[in-house]
Amino acid sequence: LAKTTQPISMDSYEGQEVNITCSHNNIATNDYITWYQQFPSQGPRFIIQGYKTKVTNEVASLFIPADRKSSTLSLPRVSLSDTAVYYCLVGAPYNFNKFYFGSGTKLNVKP
Amino acid sequence: EAGVAQSPRYKIIEKRQSVAFWCNPISGHATLYWYQQILGQGPKLLIQFQNNGVVDDSQLPKDRFSAERLKGVDSTLKIQPAKLEDSAVYLCASSFVYLSGDGPNEQFFGPGTRLTVL
Repeated sequence: LAKTTQPISMDSYEGQEVNITCSHNNIATNDYITWYQQFPSQGPRFIIQGYKTKVTNEVASLFIPADRKSSTLSLPRVSLSDTAVYYCLVGAPYNFNKFYFGSGTKLNVKP
Repeated sequence: EAGVAQSPRYKIIEKRQSVAFWCNPISGHATLYWYQQILGQGPKLLIQFQNNGVVDDSQLPKDRFSAERLKGVDSTLKIQPAKLEDSAVYLCASSFVYLSGDGPNEQFFGPGTRLTVL
């Protein structure tokens, strides 16, 4: 499975847009990119999943360039409650949904 | 819709003792996962079931860890004997695997069991 690289931590302020980039240079043709959010003392929660170009839902956008070797999770107008760890996963959802978590990015939103 | 249930929520044991965790996935989810999450790290997949069968257990320390999913629903994860380094949160997740783009294949996680080995 493709390995991912993310920044260990990021700081932001309330109301700003936050972009977290993930590198996955050896992504396979059948792999999708998925992002999860995890708060302390809770299990991870699915945010968004995509294959190419741009995917948007009610909480985030996912930008994937044509070569798919990286992706960017965009969180619009973050609030204090968005302080969490964000994980980028690469894997094949239609092959028994096999994904592996990396170390994640700790996002700290300040007032 | 009920989420993934896990019990117990907390467990403290002495090293060399045994412990078991229970997981009840979301109804209709054929895939069930057990993860180990050590403080400050991302979740590490221990074992993945598809119905009754094991899909991936490559990272399960089989000399001390075992898991089963009888009847393709509930699952138990056992550690025997426990070591200090097994102190972690054990997460159970389940997913409904869509075929070929019919939906995002997200994993739904339970609250986890925090294990402390003294």
